[in-house]
Parts: sequence; C-alpha cells; structure tokens
Amino acid sequence: NAGVTQTPKFQVLKTGQSMTLQCAQDMNHEYMSWYRQDPGMGLRLIHYSVGAGITDQGEVPNGYNVSRSTTEDFPLRLLSAAPSQTSVYFCASSATLRGTSGGNEQFFGPGTRLTVL
Amino acid sequence: LAKTTQPISMDSYEGQEVNITCSHNNIATNDYITWYQQFPSQGPRFIIQGYKTKVTNEVASLFIPADRKSSTLSLPRVSLSDTAVYYCLVGPIKAAGNKLTFGGGTRVLVKP
Repeated sequence: NAGVTQTPKFQVLKTGQSMTLQCAQDMNHEYMSWYRQDPGMGLRLIHYSVGAGITDQGEVPNGYNVSRSTTEDFPLRLLSAAPSQTSVYFCASSATLRGTSGGNEQFFGPGTRLTVL
Repeated sequence: LAKTTQPISMDSYEGQEVNITCSHNNIATNDYITWYQQFPSQGPRFIIQGYKTKVTNEVASLFIPADRKSSTLSLPRVSLSDTAVYYCLVGPIKAAGNKLTFGGGTRVLVKP
C-alpha cells in the first residue's frame, strides 16, 4: 500500500491564481481531511469528508473548496490564491467511523509546501 | 470539545526518559487520548492512544490517572532521532472533523 499520497510536493503561485492539491489513499478509508500548518504552528483543519459525496468545513475553510467523488481521492482547490495561504498542506485519512472497535488513528501524507507570491 | 494544554518545549539528553504531560480538564466520558509525533518536513505520525490507566507499545507508554484530567506520554531512553513535536489530542473514539483538533504541540529537543 502506498498509504496517503499528495501531489505536488512543492508549488509556487502568484496572487489570484487557482490550483488543485491532489490527495489519494489506497486504504479504503472513509474519513479524509485537509490541514494547513503555518511555520512553528500546529495543524488547523480546513475541510473534511466522512465518505464519498459528503464534505464539511473545518476551522479555516475560507478560500478553499473540496469534493469527494470517490473513496480514494480528496482534492483541495484554492480558488484565488493569496499570500496568507502560504503554508504546508497535509492530507490525512482514517478508517471506518462506524462501530466501536479500533481507534481514530489518522494517516498523514507527506505534505505540499505552497508559496503564494 | 476538550481543550488540551501541554508545554511548548522540552530539552533532554540521549538515553534519558522524557515525560510530556497534557492537561485536559474538561475531557468527556467518551473521549480518548491520542498522541502524534511530527518530524520536520513530515506529516504527523500516530504514536499511542488510550482511555484510562496505562497503555504501552513498542514506542511509548501513556499514563492516564483515574480522573482522566491529564495524561503523560513517556518516551523511554530517547535518542537524537526522537527530536520532534509531540501533539496531544482528545476526542471520541470515532471522532471526525472538528472533534480532532491539533494544538501547538510540545517541541522536544534531544541533545547528545
């Protein structure tokens, strides 16, 4: 299993440009999420999904869109990039949310380092 | 949503035991305590999870007192490669979305 993969690893954008950060997982996990991490800070939740076709906002959703058409993929779209969106973006997934067995261990991707000029 | 408080940073030396305490005074009955480790330029990695008393795995131990208002992550005999940021999270066993919140974490520096 490749786990959680993210592309690209690095990206530089100009203010106003749009782009999509890709995230895929091959573990058949229901739950996927996007976080951003600013230098020296903890992770903040942007958007999350509890299954295909279901998404919801996290703590800092403004300026970002998501969709979940398949279990495997959860792309994050920046609509009009701003310098305040310069950050490292992490995608994560975890297993089924149903039942009482198992924990809520999240598996994280390697991250995408985004700079907006 | 249980708020967590942990020290901003800790220094240690190789071979020593490192104990990081996390306070979570308003932990709910169905909340579990989970710890993650993050190395520079990498995503966080799950270390350990527990509900009460003590949990041990090959990496760490987690001590949770009876009142569950705090927990302590114990890293035995640390090495330089244990230098990382450690996050304490509190939430339901099947938490999703805003019930899984990362705080600022504890930056652990292991010195030779």
